[in-house]
Amino acid sequence: EPEVTQTPSHQVTQMGQEVILRCVPISNHLYFYWYRQILGQKVEFLVSFYNNEISEKSEIFDDQFSVERPDGSNFTLKIRSTKLEDSAMYFCASTEIDQPQHFGDGTRLSIL
Amino acid sequence: SQQGEEDPQALSIQEGENATMNCSYKTSINNLQWYRQNSGRGLVHLILIRSNEREKHSGRLRVTLDTSKKSSSLLITASRAADTASYFCATDAWGANSKLTFGKGITLSVRP
Repeated sequence: EPEVTQTPSHQVTQMGQEVILRCVPISNHLYFYWYRQILGQKVEFLVSFYNNEISEKSEIFDDQFSVERPDGSNFTLKIRSTKLEDSAMYFCASTEIDQPQHFGDGTRLSIL
Repeated sequence: SQQGEEDPQALSIQEGENATMNCSYKTSINNLQWYRQNSGRGLVHLILIRSNEREKHSGRLRVTLDTSKKSSSLLITASRAADTASYFCATDAWGANSKLTFGKGITLSVRP
């Protein structure tokens, strides 16, 4: 069965540094999402992306965050200047129209 | 307001018993979905129930939806130790492929 893949599985970064999290959605999917889960808390929506533009973003998704689909397969989340509170699991998801979202295994981001 | 609140927060049962988990939500929804998360892993989609459906089955899973009470239940029959995981309900609002709003999750432990 096709899967959403995310790399790296664990990223350790110094506070203030830029980080890029990468995702390869399922190939025929058109809708892409990023969510995050701070340890012990619920999964929170960050941003959705369709037709090469952001469809919706949450309050968390401020100017420090950006998303990009640089080619036909990758979907990236960039955090420009990381803060301690950005430490979390970041999940990418993708879907076809009106179907369940399929999630990757996540990237654990640790900010030191 | 909180959307997708599950109860109980933790459930411990013996292998072979049934597990019932409940979810309540506050605003109108399009679909309600249940996901499973094994420790340190991504979210695995279990079942989706649409707002015009009342009950759905998939293998050992049975989901009900009561839109008048804004609640859903997930029943896992004949539980196995491998069912040990966290379970989340997630709702999405009307609109094509809108974001998911997750509850805090239920930790299910199935004792062998």
